[in-house]
Amino acid sequence: EDQVTQSPEALRLQEGESSSLNCSYTVSGLRGLFWYRQDPGKGPEFLFTLYSAGEEKEKERLKATLTKKESFLHITAPKPEDSATYLCAVHSSNTGKLIFGQGTTLQVKP
Amino acid sequence: EAGVVQSPRYKIIEKKQPVAFWCNPISGHNTLYWYRQNLGQGPELLIRYENEEAVDDSQLPKDRFSAERLKGVDSTLKIQPAELGDSAVYLCASSFPGLAGGEQYFGPGTRLTVT
Repeated sequence: EDQVTQSPEALRLQEGESSSLNCSYTVSGLRGLFWYRQDPGKGPEFLFTLYSAGEEKEKERLKATLTKKESFLHITAPKPEDSATYLCAVHSSNTGKLIFGQGTTLQVKP
Repeated sequence: EAGVVQSPRYKIIEKKQPVAFWCNPISGHNTLYWYRQNLGQGPELLIRYENEEAVDDSQLPKDRFSAERLKGVDSTLKIQPAELGDSAVYLCASSFPGLAGGEQYFGPGTRLTVT
């Protein structure tokens, strides 16, 4: 069964304090792994796509990496505006579905 | 470019009442999705359309939920009758089909409260 688990559920950081969010997955045929950002009261916003182990993508203070079993979202020197829920999802080639994890809620304090 | 549009943004109804949600996807996106998101959880797929065809409705509770996508553009999701457990945010998303299907663009959602 396709499954995505994110940890931690919640993370509180001081501004400038770097950290990583984890996404562990099992999927029958990985078409891609996706990271989304969701702000309160809004729909998820696409951030990155990763297709194969070893791949990395960067955007401002965020860097996503992928192995065969998990993905990490590294946040370098975060700012308060990075506060949001970060969702990881796998696209299954078996079902064609996007399977989401439960998300990590990040709070960055000034 | 306009994003995915959903209405209404909020809806409060009593149990056993019907409710409908409307979605207008991004122009050119043939694939349309309806998701349900419970508090503290990720979105869960209810139904996926390729143009007018519902290609995956395996997660749609068909006894009370229905959806349609006339002319392959706008879509409506209906619940009749609503139950207390249907309280959630209903998200519409759209994408290009095939390999690009994981890169989805979401609307703001409709927050449904059933009392």
